[in-house]
Amino acid sequence: ETGVTQTPRHLVMGMTNKKSLKCEQHLGHNAMYWYKQSAKKPLELMFVYSLEERVENNSVPSRFSPECPNSSHLFLHLHTLQPEDSALYLCASSLLGSGGYTFGSGTRLTVV
Amino acid sequence: QQPVQSPQAVILREGEDAVINCSSSKALYSVHWYRQKHGEAPVFLMILLKGGEQKGHEKISASFNEKKQQSSLYLTASQLSYSGTYFCGTANPPGGNEKLTFGTGTRLTIIP
Repeated sequence: ETGVTQTPRHLVMGMTNKKSLKCEQHLGHNAMYWYKQSAKKPLELMFVYSLEERVENNSVPSRFSPECPNSSHLFLHLHTLQPEDSALYLCASSLLGSGGYTFGSGTRLTVV
Repeated sequence: QQPVQSPQAVILREGEDAVINCSSSKALYSVHWYRQKHGEAPVFLMILLKGGEQKGHEKISASFNEKKQQSSLYLTASQLSYSGTYFCGTANPPGGNEKLTFGTGTRLTIIP
């Protein structure tokens, strides 16, 4: 365990389903992130929450919707996904400023 | 634009040394280094904040040349446990670590 817990570890969903990914940290960090990791591509930043406010949305399609109810929890709500959205979704947290990131183990998402 | 890492992959015998490079086309504020083993979360190795700074972590060290917008990761007397994919993450001025951009990764394989 890294200190950042992601659930579920694996998810298979149809294109018409709605599901949510959950991320939890109790490291006292005040920034949380969603990254997408696809084969042979660099980690892609999707969303950044700093002090529970969204500060970055890298032109992510609206079928991905983040939620950060408090500094310890982060969700990624999914709906009407496409097969090309299949990937490993990583959550990370850090202390604002210059701290390193602590990543969760990820959710392996397959869209069928 | 993401930083460029080289080489893309390297195979070493146990005990050999390796250098992994990370170059950016933009000015850098800081460079992070992470290692990810197959099926696991990326793990933070170190962060370099100042130009010319060199940091060490056991037999893994790194340098940061602010002028050249480059960082290098040095692995000496490699061990089997060093196998994995190494990523650099860069932050641009004015600073902060909320918007890391990651390189495509360097896959390191250590053989006995």
